[in-house]
Amino acid sequence: GAVVSQHPSRVICKSGTSVKIECRSLDFQATTMFWYRQFPKQSLMLMATSNEGSKATYEQGVEKDKFLINHASLTLSTLTVTSAHPEDSSFYICSAGPTARGNYGYTFGSGTRLTVV
Amino acid sequence: QQQVKQSPQSLIVQKGGISIINCAYENTAFDYFPWYQQFPGKGPALLIAIRPDVSEKKEGRFTISFNKSAKQFSLHIMDSQPGDSATYFCAASIRDSGYALNFGKGTSLLVTP
Repeated sequence: GAVVSQHPSRVICKSGTSVKIECRSLDFQATTMFWYRQFPKQSLMLMATSNEGSKATYEQGVEKDKFLINHASLTLSTLTVTSAHPEDSSFYICSAGPTARGNYGYTFGSGTRLTVV
Repeated sequence: QQQVKQSPQSLIVQKGGISIINCAYENTAFDYFPWYQQFPGKGPALLIAIRPDVSEKKEGRFTISFNKSAKQFSLHIMDSQPGDSATYFCAASIRDSGYALNFGKGTSLLVTP
C-alpha cells in the first residue's frame, strides 16, 4: 500500500517551453503533497507544499510563477515548470500523505529527471 | 541554512560490518526523525523513523539511536550488505508544518564484498 506514482520519469525539453509533472497517490487519498528538487549528488530541497483545494505554499527563493503547482484532487498534484531554462534541469520528486500508516507517513514518488536543452 | 547536519559525507564498510551515520539538529520543535535510502535515479524510500519520546528503535538490521538532550540521532546498519550501498538521508520535521522534511546532505554508503 501507499504507492505514489510520478510521471514522466524523465523528460527532455527545449529552453522556453513548459513541462508538466504529475504526482498521483494510487491507493490512498493525499491531503498534502510536497515537491522537492534534487541536484546531482546533493540533498533534497523542499520547493513547495500543496494541500488539496488550496494554493500551494512556496519556500523562500522558489518562484511561484515559474513553478506552478496544482492540487485539484486528493490523488493528483501537478508541477508545471514554465518557460524552462537549462538551470531548471534537475531531479524533481514529490511526496504524498498522510498514508494509512498514520500522520507521520509520507511516501515519495520515483522522481522526474528534467533536462532542458 | 541546513537545519539538519549529517556526517560522514561518504562511508565505506566491509560486508558484515556496521555502518554508522550521524545527524544533528538545532530546532527543538522537530518531532519526527526519519531516515531515507535512495538509489540512483529513484525517489527516497523510508527506512525507519523515530519520535523524540523514544531513545532507540530497531527494525531488522536498522537501528535509530536518539539523544534528545544532545539533539543528535544516528542510523546503525548491522551486518551491512553490498545491496545496502546507496545514499542515506536523515531528516527532521514538525507536525504543525505538515511534516515537510528538512533533509541532511546525505551519506553515500559503499559496502564492499
